[in-house]
Amino acid sequence: ETGVTQTPRHLVMGMTNKKSLKCEQHLGHNAMYWYKQSAKKPLELMFVYNFKEQTENNSVPSRFSPECPNSSHLFLHLHTLQPEDSALYLCASSQVMTANTGELFFGEGSRLTVL
Amino acid sequence: KQEVTQIPAALSVPEGENLVLNCSFTDSAIYNLQWFRQDPGKGLTSLLLIQSSQREQTSGRLNASLDKSSGRSTLYIAASQPGDSATYLCAVITGNQFYFGTGTSLTVIP
Repeated sequence: ETGVTQTPRHLVMGMTNKKSLKCEQHLGHNAMYWYKQSAKKPLELMFVYNFKEQTENNSVPSRFSPECPNSSHLFLHLHTLQPEDSALYLCASSQVMTANTGELFFGEGSRLTVL
Repeated sequence: KQEVTQIPAALSVPEGENLVLNCSFTDSAIYNLQWFRQDPGKGLTSLLLIQSSQREQTSGRLNASLDKSSGRSTLYIAASQPGDSATYLCAVITGNQFYFGTGTSLTVIP
């Protein structure tokens, strides 16, 4: 138990579906992150929120839409995805998003399969 | 741009052996370096965090060292066990970003 909870753990969706991934952290952190992990590639940063404000959008396609209603919750809304979007999506949190951000804590991930 | 490399990509050792995993980075202006463990299909578990002012950190059988000037970190695992089998990733913080290596997949053979 890392203090970061992701749901669902597994998701299968068609290319025309709309679904959402949810992340909740119980660590009192103020920065939350979405990463994408594909086989044999380094983790790719997708979005960063610091004190509920989006500070990073790493050229992510608009079919991925993040939402951060408060410092404890982060969502990733998915629509009209492509098969190449199949991957493990990881949520993480840290104390703050500054130059010395401290330790990064990850959730268990959501395995997404797009048919 | 910061680049993080982990060599070897895979390592297999017999149980009980001491081993060293390597992490190198191109930009020495880092704030922290963090080592993680990842089991198949799971998230990343933090093992050790080394601040830029520190040279090493220890937790149980794990010892991580940091040499900023040479752009290197090592993770030493003593008396390896089958339960240590996993992928080990390092990440450096440069500016406001975390940069990850692709990991070393470790198998400890009973």
